[in-house]
Amino acid sequence: GAVVSQHPSWVICKSGTSVKIECRSLDFQATTMFWYRQFPKQSLMLMATSNEGSKATYEQGVEKDKFLINHASLTLSTLTVTSAHPEDSSFYICSARSGGANPAPETQYFGPGTRLLVL
Amino acid sequence: SQQGEEDPQALSIQEGENATMNCSYKTSINNLQWYRQNSGRGLVHLILIRSNEREKHSGRLRVTLDTSKKSSSLLITASRAADTASYFCATRPGGSRLTFGEGTQLTVNP
Repeated sequence: GAVVSQHPSWVICKSGTSVKIECRSLDFQATTMFWYRQFPKQSLMLMATSNEGSKATYEQGVEKDKFLINHASLTLSTLTVTSAHPEDSSFYICSARSGGANPAPETQYFGPGTRLLVL
Repeated sequence: SQQGEEDPQALSIQEGENATMNCSYKTSINNLQWYRQNSGRGLVHLILIRSNEREKHSGRLRVTLDTSKKSSSLLITASRAADTASYFCATRPGGSRLTFGEGTQLTVNP
């Protein structure tokens, strides 16, 4: 099956620093990538949708200047949490969807997640 | 906002028993997907059922879809301890954004 990787898997940083999370589709081209965050014992909340080569579309309530998303290639998207604060601590999960027929575009494939802890 | 609602929120069973989880949604869909999430990990795609399908099987998984009731169920037969995880249904109402239900936490006791 299609594989999506994320790096790093976990990160601890000081308040005020910026953290970059990478999301890669390893064996398919992802024209669309999605970033979610998940708090303990809760469901996934979509933060933004990014299409390769264009600006990301952010969900209501998500600060675009705080969560910078870059989708520069068909296999890589990055999420940068700028000036991180303790309330940004969460589990961040990326997802990728194929633009072609294989794998079928209806299915989204998820990365293993990145746990961010801001001290 | 979440499209789906799932019940039960939590389910605890013994190994070998069957586990049934339900999902309801609000708007018309082209398909519905089920995912599994082990604690602290990403989501694993389990199965996709299209709106013109009523039932689909994959190994020990059986998914049903009732578009008239806007509901779906996931049945795991002969459960194993390794099936312990959270299970989410997901739909893509009217567009490209996949939205998730609140999830069912399944615990299979050995």
